[in-house]
Order: sequence, then C-alpha cells, then structure tokens
Amino acid sequence: DSGVTQTPKHLITATGQRVTLRCSPRSGDLSVYWYQQSLDQGLQFLIQYYNGEERAKGNILERFSAQQFPDLHSELNLSSLELGDSALYFCASSTRGGFEPQHFGDGTRLSIL
Amino acid sequence: GESVGLHLPTLSVQEGDNSIINCAYSNSASDYFIWYKQESGKGPQFIIDIRSNMDKRQGQRVTVLLNKTVKHLSLQIAATQPGDSAVYFCAEILGGATNKLIFGTGTLLAVQP
Repeated sequence: DSGVTQTPKHLITATGQRVTLRCSPRSGDLSVYWYQQSLDQGLQFLIQYYNGEERAKGNILERFSAQQFPDLHSELNLSSLELGDSALYFCASSTRGGFEPQHFGDGTRLSIL
Repeated sequence: GESVGLHLPTLSVQEGDNSIINCAYSNSASDYFIWYKQESGKGPQFIIDIRSNMDKRQGQRVTVLLNKTVKHLSLQIAATQPGDSAVYFCAEILGGATNKLIFGTGTLLAVQP
C-alpha cells in the first residue's frame, strides 16, 4: 500500500461530459503529481502541485485543470471529454517539490463511451 | 477510431537468471533518472534512482548503470524471480528552471518458472 488514495477507481461517462478525479496524498507529502496512461501514449506527466501551488506543467490539455487544496488533497478536472481521453489517471505524491521518487496510487480508470 | 496499443518490448527470462532492461533517454541535459516497476492493475512503484554525476548505483538485487555518452540507462536484476514480472519504466528528469519529467515507453519483463 503506497498510502496514496485515488477515487473513484472506475468512471464511465459520455463524450462532452465533465468529471472530477480525487487524490489524497501520502501523509506528510506536500507534492501531488497527475499522470495519464493510455494505450497509445504510454505514461504522460500532466501537472504537479506543491503545497497548494502549481510547480510544473507537462502535457496537460487546456480542457483539463487541477488544484491542490489546503488539506493537500488534489482534484483533476476533465471537461468536454473525448473518446481519446479514455485512460488510466494516476496520482502520485512526494515529500518535496522536485521530481524525487514518488508514491503512486492505483489509478482511476476513465472510460468514455 | 481505434487506438493502436503501444508495442512494449518484452524480455523473457528464466527464474534465477539475471535480467537487463535497457532505456534510451532523449535529453543530454537530463540530470536525474528513476526506474519504476508497474505490476498489472497497480500504479508504478519506485525501484532505484541515479544522478547524472554517477555511472552506477546498486540496490538490493538491482543495479542501475548510466552511460551519458550514448544517453543510455540500464536496470540489472539479479536472480530474477516470478514476482519481478511487470512493466519497467525509466524516467528522465530535467531539473532547474526546466523541471520536466519524461517516461520511457516501458519494457515488459516476463519471468518463466
């Protein structure tokens, strides 16, 4: 058990809809990272927050946004969903603000019908 | 349309043999590298890391080698066990102002009993 909790585990929705994925980091970790893992793109870094502030940005689409709350949990919002957004979305956390070794949750599987 | 799945390189080894998983990274300015293991249905798990000022680092049953001249990273697993069966990813990190992380496509390690 990594200590990182992601909810929900599975999400099925339709094109054009909006969803919110939630992540609770490991106790004591200040950084939260979001990743997308799809069959055709592999594992892609989306965005990082450190202690409530955006720290680094990767291949995140404009239709996607994230935030980290004062209690350090994070949410990833995906809007105007397209078929190609179907993927596993992972959250990870770490103690500091760089890309040091991270603890990953088990992911949210998003299926767009 | 349909997505074409990533064709993961596969390494098949006999239990007890040593395994070598290779990774070519893209940016000569990358200064930190991490190997992750991903078992089916789970998030990636940290194995070992190495900084660019080193060329070798050893852990328990694992060794990472870094060749900056040819931008190549390898993970050696000694006495491979069935529990080592998983997908292995290398990650390269560019620190400083760039602050970027890129995952490799991954290698599937299949351990035959």
